[in-house]
Amino acid sequence: GQQVMQIPQYQHVQEGEDFTTYCNSSTTLSNIQWYKQRPGGHPVFLIQLVKSGEVKKQKRLTFQFGEAKKNSSLHITATQTTDVGTYFCAGPKRNTPLVFGKGTRLSVIA
Amino acid sequence: EAGVAQSPRYKIIEKRQSVAFWCNPISGHATLYWYQQILGQGPKLLIQFQNNGVVDDSQLPKDRFSAERLKGVDSTLKIQPAKLEDSAVYLCASSLVDGATNEKLFFGSGTQLSVL
Repeated sequence: GQQVMQIPQYQHVQEGEDFTTYCNSSTTLSNIQWYKQRPGGHPVFLIQLVKSGEVKKQKRLTFQFGEAKKNSSLHITATQTTDVGTYFCAGPKRNTPLVFGKGTRLSVIA
Repeated sequence: EAGVAQSPRYKIIEKRQSVAFWCNPISGHATLYWYQQILGQGPKLLIQFQNNGVVDDSQLPKDRFSAERLKGVDSTLKIQPAKLEDSAVYLCASSLVDGATNEKLFFGSGTQLSVL
């Protein structure tokens, strides 16, 4: 079945350092969504990318969708302790439910 | 706006027992999902409803899992009998559907199930 792969699985950074997580699919995605799950919490929607090559920014977060619509990235500039959590990408093929990656767990050391 | 409500928050049972989870989606959300999240992994879709019809249940272990959404609002997910490997967080999510590409999901707080 369709798989969405995320790397790295874990990332430990010092507060103030940048962080990037990557998401790759073996098939073309109609769109990609990103979610954040705080420790002990539930996934919370961050953003959806639809267009090839799309770039969206939310304050210190930058999201990109690849030209071939098979990969995506999330970059956080100058991480803060509030950024701690697991970041999931999720993508569907056309007319199928979302498939989540395994996530990247971010730890921020103050 | 009220979020997705789930209960119970925690459940501990012995293997071979039965368990049921309840979900009330956000008012007006036609689509409801049940996901299973094993520790350290991403959510895995079990079943998707649109109103009271099943859209996708291809990954639901139908020999032991069942779900219903009789009036197109609340939903229950049942496991009978439970196995050790069913220990996980069961997340309910809902979304609006307007016929466009996939809508964002709103998740409930989940039910953490421990099977001993």
